[in-house]
Amino acid sequence: DGGITQSPKYLFRKEGQNVTLSCEQNLNHDAMYWYRQDPGQGLRLIYYSQIVNDFQKGDIAEGYSVSREKKESFPLTVTSAQKNPTAFYLCASSSTWGRSTGELFFGEGSRLTVL
Amino acid sequence: GQQVMQIPQYQHVQEGEDFTTYCNSSTTLSNIQWYKQRPGGHPVFLIQLVKSGEVKKQKRLTFQFGEAKKNSSLHITATQTTDVGTYFCAGPGGTSYGKLTFGQGTILTVHP
Repeated sequence: DGGITQSPKYLFRKEGQNVTLSCEQNLNHDAMYWYRQDPGQGLRLIYYSQIVNDFQKGDIAEGYSVSREKKESFPLTVTSAQKNPTAFYLCASSSTWGRSTGELFFGEGSRLTVL
Repeated sequence: GQQVMQIPQYQHVQEGEDFTTYCNSSTTLSNIQWYKQRPGGHPVFLIQLVKSGEVKKQKRLTFQFGEAKKNSSLHITATQTTDVGTYFCAGPGGTSYGKLTFGQGTILTVHP
């Protein structure tokens, strides 16, 4: 099936540890995104990438890092510098036409809990 | 930076009542998208509006894009329990190519 796969679905981490969330898509989309969701705050953009080997900071990039070495993969690392990392993380992808962004296809999400 | 504000944050209705959520942007939008997220799920695309004053319908859902392309609304007629979830609007992030900014969402509860 075509779509976006995020793993793991649930993750527990001790304070001070880095953790990497996986996001893979087989939709042949150029653009990929990471959003963080907290109750009552909607979706906040962490990082996004329009093309392989290029990515931009979103609104809340501090304490996070990404890479885009392959078109189908956009892993997110939550570093120990992130002050409040417990959240629901959503990866998405979309096709693009010029400067326009198509609909976003989301993965099932990864729920990170810091103990 | 560009902001997308959405109201109300919560809406509780009786089944059969209508529901509307509003989205306002601090800047003119080239387009606006709407998503629905069921409880425990992930956002799913509903529609994209592009033209000034555009109105689109999907069964009981009516989407509008304002004349100035700075606001939008989603109206549900005669809500059903299957309409429960969070509705988000999202717009391009100003001059930042490829950035999509979401509103805070409206959480809809439908009482049978």
